Amino acid sequence: KQEVTQIPAALSVPEGENLVLNCSFTDSAIYNLQWFRQDPGKGLTSLLLIQSSQREQTSGRLNASLDKSSGRSTLYIAASQPGDSATYLCAVTRAGGSEKLVFGKGTKLTVNP
Amino acid sequence: GAGVSQTPSNKVTEKGKYVELRCDPISGHTALYWYRQSLGQGPEFLIYFQGTGAADDSGLPNDRFFAVRPEGSVSTLKIQRTERGDSAVYLCASSSPGGRTKQFFGPGTRLTVL
Repeated sequence: KQEVTQIPAALSVPEGENLVLNCSFTDSAIYNLQWFRQDPGKGLTSLLLIQSSQREQTSGRLNASLDKSSGRSTLYIAASQPGDSATYLCAVTRAGGSEKLVFGKGTKLTVNP
Repeated sequence: GAGVSQTPSNKVTEKGKYVELRCDPISGHTALYWYRQSLGQGPEFLIYFQGTGAADDSGLPNDRFFAVRPEGSVSTLKIQRTERGDSAVYLCASSSPGGRTKQFFGPGTRLTVL
C-alpha cells in the first residue's frame, strides 16, 4: 500500500527566504506526482505535475524535482512571500492502476513579513 | 467555464440522517473523483468515475456510502445513516480526457454530523 510522507509538518520562515518542502513515497511504481496548495477552508490548487519519466518541473518561483527510484520529491520555493503561506500537499498516482491520488498530510507553511 | 463547483458548501445534520452532496465538474471533463479530508490530514480517495461508470470505488468506507453520475457530468455522493465519524470535508475533483492529467478540485462540502 502506497504511503506518502511530508516533512516537516509545519515550517515558519521570514519573507524572502528560499525554502524546500519534502515528500517521500514508499512505492516507486508511480505514474506521476502532483504538488498542491491548500488555503484555509478552501479546496486544492494544483501547482505542478511531474510525470514519472521527468526529473523536474518549474513554474515561476516554484521548482519541483522527482527522484522516483529513491521515492522522493522536493518543492523548492524561491524568494518566499507572505502570500505563499498555505498548506502544501503532494500526491502520487500508481503506475498501471487507478487514477486516484494518494496524498501526504501536507506541510503548513507560514511566511512572516 | 467556471471551475468545479460543490453544493452545499456546509451541511449540518443529525446522526442517523441521510445526506446528498453534489459535484459539478468542469465542462468536458470525463473523469470525476471524490475524496474526504479530515482535520489535519491529507485527502483520502473515495471513488472515481470515468464517464457514467465507477472505475474505482475501493475507497468507499462501507455500504452506507454510495455515489452516482447518471449522465456523465454531475455526481452525487450519498451517505445513509450518518455517523459522527463521517464529519469531514468532502472534496470533488475532475480531470480532462486522456488519463492521468491534472485533477482540478472544488471548494469542498463541510459535513458536520451532530
